[in-house]
Amino acid sequence: GDSVTQMEGPVTLSEEAFLTINCTYTATGYPSLFWYVQYPGEGLQLLLKATKADDKGSNKGFEATYRKETTSFHLEKGSVQVSDSAVYFCALSDSGGSNYKLTFGKGTLLTVNP
Amino acid sequence: GAGVSQSPSNKVTEKGKDVELRCDPISGHTALYWYRQSLGQGLEFLIYFQGNSAPDKSGLPSDRFSAERTGGSVSTLTIQRTQQEDSAVYLCASSDGSLRTDTQYFGPGTRLTVL
Repeated sequence: GDSVTQMEGPVTLSEEAFLTINCTYTATGYPSLFWYVQYPGEGLQLLLKATKADDKGSNKGFEATYRKETTSFHLEKGSVQVSDSAVYFCALSDSGGSNYKLTFGKGTLLTVNP
Repeated sequence: GAGVSQSPSNKVTEKGKDVELRCDPISGHTALYWYRQSLGQGLEFLIYFQGNSAPDKSGLPSDRFSAERTGGSVSTLTIQRTQQEDSAVYLCASSDGSLRTDTQYFGPGTRLTVL
């Protein structure tokens, strides 16, 4: 079945540091890939997505590139801010069948200190 | 327009009682999903609706769990004879439902605590 593996953290960085959160996946079809973010006390929000190989999703300074050859979708940001402190979830939606349910990784807690 | 709403936001119940959780999706969204977020298991898919039918119930953990959707809109997740392991945050999401690339929009969740 489908699965997503991401580094579990927690990750603690200083402001303006470079961020990488690794994510790899296993899927039977040709999945779409997503990063969702959950800020403290808030619901899940879509951060970015990529729908086919070599696509790059980007938003709010975050980027992730869909790498089919390595089955990866690592999240990066060049300079993190305190306001980026949140839990980040990597997820996939497989094209097999008509159900586009999301399969999530375990989540990575990011804390950014000033 | 309004986002996905869920009620109640918090529910505390005693073991063995039944609970109902409600989800109001974004207007016009045909697809609706229920997920569960717990410390031990992370985020898990429970059930998927397309319109009023549920073609995929594979994530429901036991026959104590059921869900329905009426009028292609509101959905109710019912847990009968609640157990302590049912304690979790129950999330609802909706999407346009026509493409696999559609964004799923999540509600704020219902935090269920079973004493």
